Amino acid sequence: EVVMTQSPATLSVSPGERATLSCRASQSISLNLAWYQHKPGQAPRLLIWGASTRATGIPARFSGSGSGTEFTLTITSLQSEDFAIYYCQQYNDWFPYTFGQGTKLEIK
Amino acid sequence: QVQLQESGPGLVKPSETLSLICSVSGGSINKYYWSWIRQSPGKGLEWIGYIYYSGSTNYNPSLKSRVFISVDTSRNFFSLNLNSVTAADTALYYCATGVGSGYYYMDVWGKGTTVTVSS
Repeated sequence: EVVMTQSPATLSVSPGERATLSCRASQSISLNLAWYQHKPGQAPRLLIWGASTRATGIPARFSGSGSGTEFTLTITSLQSEDFAIYYCQQYNDWFPYTFGQGTKLEIK
Repeated sequence: QVQLQESGPGLVKPSETLSLICSVSGGSINKYYWSWIRQSPGKGLEWIGYIYYSGSTNYNPSLKSRVFISVDTSRNFFSLNLNSVTAADTALYYCATGVGSGYYYMDVWGKGTTVTVSS
């Protein structure tokens, strides 16, 4: 099973600033990585797939990068609605596909 | 657009079977792969398994001996059964699908339903 490790566990950033979230895979997963945003009481929302492709309707301030074992989700010009928990998920190695433990993005 | 809604008992006794339904609206269940994913308190997300509308399934090896996922194409829903539950199965259970991806990543999720295992 591929272990996904996200860092930091909590990130405090001021609105309008940039947030950089990291995700590391225990073995190479090529570009087979997705990012999700999750707010309490809501369904998780797909942000990025293929490591860097934004899902339908996702604002351009969300961007993904990386390959192999190291990945980054960058959110520029943070809006109030961006404060949430973010998860990465690998879909290279079946089965199961695995998620990171999440990064909580909070308002500084 | 496809929407999903989980339903089922919020409380299950230890050793009994957890049964949940995911109702599919806004589209036919006769395409795509349909997944169950859960989040235990204080833990991350765990993929339970998925089913294709044809009935073929794939389960998380850690749960395979206890899980059964089925689909009812006539009534547009799919189900999760998890037997011999323990407190470790207490979680927020989501159904999800990958309209754009199959079973690789999920672009449609339900809001989730909480299941507590307790006597």
